[in-house]
Amino acid sequence: DTAVSQTPKYLVTQMGNDKSIKCEQNLGHDTMYWYKQDSKKFLKIMFSYNNKELIINETVPNRFSPKSPDKAHLNLHINSLELGDSAVYFCASSQPTGRQETQYFGPGTRLLVL
Amino acid sequence: AQSVSQHNHHVILSEAASLELGCNYSYGGTVNLFWYVQYPGQHLQLLLKYFSGDPLVKGIKGFEAEFIKSKFSFNLRKPSVQWSDTAEYFCAVISDTGRRALTFGSGTRLQVQP
Repeated sequence: DTAVSQTPKYLVTQMGNDKSIKCEQNLGHDTMYWYKQDSKKFLKIMFSYNNKELIINETVPNRFSPKSPDKAHLNLHINSLELGDSAVYFCASSQPTGRQETQYFGPGTRLLVL
Repeated sequence: AQSVSQHNHHVILSEAASLELGCNYSYGGTVNLFWYVQYPGQHLQLLLKYFSGDPLVKGIKGFEAEFIKSKFSFNLRKPSVQWSDTAEYFCAVISDTGRRALTFGSGTRLQVQP
């Protein structure tokens, strides 16, 4: 009964491959996010969806394409993987309630591109 | 654009020592403030949050933080650390207007020696 879950937990792949990471939340939240944590532990927003609609799209290469089939799921597809894509990718969700909302994070997917 | 600074990159303490981790943000409007903790190999967990009201907020595991608006600060404190507090600590801010994504500080690695 994990609130925010991600699969896979670890992903090791070769340069040039295409891969997907899946995220699901069972909190009933309307908003979901993808964050990237680099090798120096720095966390940065990539995308955000609210009820299946893209609301934040940071300066991310268009090789990264998020997809939200429903408000409980937000998947991340990455084409033509590069070495620099190696990172930990965290999914998060929140329920917008005016000003006050808290984001809850998934366990992360550690991606290693060789 | 808002930014968050954590000046202590790596802190080493002995058990029972007191802890204070600095966090400063730059944003002129109203903000929500958070501290997240990341234990080795694990996901981000919410330690505490400030939305409004009493500027001294208490979180889980004996942590507290004080919001000082005039100093744009939200420092994290714990009177007596334990070995199990060894982790990475992230301060984050979200503004009450504009995009609803967390801006994180660069993190502080806390190492508690037994």
